[in-house]
Amino acid sequence: DAGVIQSPRHEVTEMGQEVTLRCKPISGHNSLFWYRQTMMRGLELLIYFNNNVPIDDSGMPEDRFSAKMPNASFSTLKIQPSEPRDSAVYFCASTLSQGLAMETQYFGPGTRLLVL
Amino acid sequence: DAKTTQPPSMDCAEGRAANLPCNHSTISGNEYVYWYRQIHSQGPQYIIHGLKNNETNEMASLIITEDRKSSTLILPHATLRDTAVYYCIVRAHTGTASKLTFGTGTRLQVTL
Repeated sequence: DAGVIQSPRHEVTEMGQEVTLRCKPISGHNSLFWYRQTMMRGLELLIYFNNNVPIDDSGMPEDRFSAKMPNASFSTLKIQPSEPRDSAVYFCASTLSQGLAMETQYFGPGTRLLVL
Repeated sequence: DAKTTQPPSMDCAEGRAANLPCNHSTISGNEYVYWYRQIHSQGPQYIIHGLKNNETNEMASLIITEDRKSSTLILPHATLRDTAVYYCIVRAHTGTASKLTFGTGTRLQVTL
């Protein structure tokens, strides 16, 4: 399996521009997570989906951020408009959630976003 | 989820065992201890997890105290490639997927 795939790997944009990050989870996984990592705040969860339905979006910083999961094999995280403080590494992770069994989250390589 | 406390950094000589402690004194009976690590510039990677028994896999061993208030991750023969930030996370298995709450972790530096 190719693992979790994220694109782009690097993104440099100017303040005010729209940014779209993409994630393809591991085939067969039914849960998907978006995390953000900065030096100041560490690794924090933004939102996660279970069976394509958003379960917890309490970590989404503000209305400029939105996430969708139109099907089991694709998710997007959009920032519009982007601001310099959005500069971070954004990770996508997926897992197979099966009742009370343990879940290993598999992380993608991340997208390094720089907003100038 | 219970909060965890880890030392910010540790050093270990290559070939020696690395013992990474974690305090989780407020852990609940249904909460598991998970360990992940993050090698520089990569996404976090699962290492091991346990409830109350000691666990071992091909990567590491996990020792959980009898009262479950603390645990130790053991890398038996550390190599330079084990240099990473190690996160101890406590979470329950709730029946649906749930988030991982990462703390600041322990930065392990393996040296020659």
